[in-house]
Amino acid sequence: RKEVEQDPGPFNVPEGATVAFNCTYSNSASQSFFWYRQDCRKEPKLLMSVYSSGNEDGRFTAQLNRASQYISLLIRDSKLSDSATYLCVVINTGTASKLTFGTGTRLQVTL
Amino acid sequence: DAGVTQSPTHLIKTRGQHVTLRCSPISGHKSVSWYQQVLGQGPQFIFQYYEKEERGRGNFPDRFSARQFPNYSSELNVNALLLGDSALYLCASSLGRVGGEKLFFGSGTQLSVL
Repeated sequence: RKEVEQDPGPFNVPEGATVAFNCTYSNSASQSFFWYRQDCRKEPKLLMSVYSSGNEDGRFTAQLNRASQYISLLIRDSKLSDSATYLCVVINTGTASKLTFGTGTRLQVTL
Repeated sequence: DAGVTQSPTHLIKTRGQHVTLRCSPISGHKSVSWYQQVLGQGPQFIFQYYEKEERGRGNFPDRFSARQFPNYSSELNVNALLLGDSALYLCASSLGRVGGEKLFFGSGTQLSVL
């Protein structure tokens, strides 16, 4: 089983739609969680951190469920510019220097 | 302010050759990490260097090595290249040892091994 698993998609949604991605992780000792965004042929960029209490940044909401070992990302009112690959990232206890990435979920927002 | 810079941006090599990739972190950042991203996959951790010492190593063969210089720039070396080494190599810098949310990536070096 992979350490971090994501549905690769693609998710094709119309502009204005709400879309949600999930990501599961295998190590129950994982301590930090993030969502990164990666545009085609570009470097990953931090989108947001994920906290147990949930956090929101504009149209984006991230949630962590430690009991079920998954994190989620919700995007409301999708824009064409949201089209990208969304990478789930986990840092495990004892390997604080290492980020473990999922394979990414591809989102394509269409007119 | 300059971000993380990597060179070269693209590289073509043949099997068995050796390659050196370079990275300059953001000014003031002391930690540099290297990641390999194969097409269709997420980045895979290769190394982290902090204050010129290796602090972490991923599951890569000994053909992969790296070092960090006194000015905190870094080199990634790969010997005896294989076709499977074709990938985007990403360098990331951070202020401290723990990357996480303060990790900044360069635009990468696209390596093609023929």
